[in-house]
Amino acid sequence: DIQLTQSPSSLSASVGDRVTITCRASQGIKNFLAWYQQKPGKVPKLLIYSSVTLQSGVPSRFSGSGSGTDFTLTISSLQPEDVATYYCQKYNSAPGSITFGQGTRLEIK
Amino acid sequence: EVHLVESGGGLVQPGRSLRLSCAASGFTFDDHAMHWVRQAPGKGLEWVSGISWNSDIRGYADAVKGRFTISRDNAKNSLYLQMNSLRGEDTALYYCAKDRMSVAEYLDSWGQGTLVIVSS
Repeated sequence: DIQLTQSPSSLSASVGDRVTITCRASQGIKNFLAWYQQKPGKVPKLLIYSSVTLQSGVPSRFSGSGSGTDFTLTISSLQPEDVATYYCQKYNSAPGSITFGQGTRLEIK
Repeated sequence: EVHLVESGGGLVQPGRSLRLSCAASGFTFDDHAMHWVRQAPGKGLEWVSGISWNSDIRGYADAVKGRFTISRDNAKNSLYLQMNSLRGEDTALYYCAKDRMSVAEYLDSWGQGTLVIVSS
């Protein structure tokens, strides 16, 4: 099975900082990767899919990049409302399975 | 607006069974794959099971394979998860999630979840 490893597990940054979270797949997965945001006590929300496509309604300060095994979620200018745990996710059409990374907890300094 | 409402959670003893349901509205249910994702207290997201639009493809996490069964009723816009032989490690908030596509891909809408506690 292909595993997803996120780094770092947690980070603290200041408002306005550029923040980068990495997700590494144990084997190549083309661009079949999504990012989710889960704010404390809330339901997960799809941010980016197919590695680079912003989900409707998601602020443009969020962006995704990468293909193959290395992927990145970038927040260009961190806002207080971005405090959350971020997860990457891949899919496998056959047999219809999904895998999440372990999550990255983002806090404000 | 997409609306997913889970039900059926509760406190259950180890070894017993529970059936979760998810009522969907606001979209064409039989155009989309559906999934169950769980989150143990203080832990990350764990995909449990998914089912394609026509039920032809059903996937399970290794941790639940052979114990859980996913199903759907497109006529009732409903998703189900039959959970047998429950264990303490199955304790979690169980989310119903809608896929963007008709087979497993990305999850673009989530319910609020139903809590399952497995304890004697």
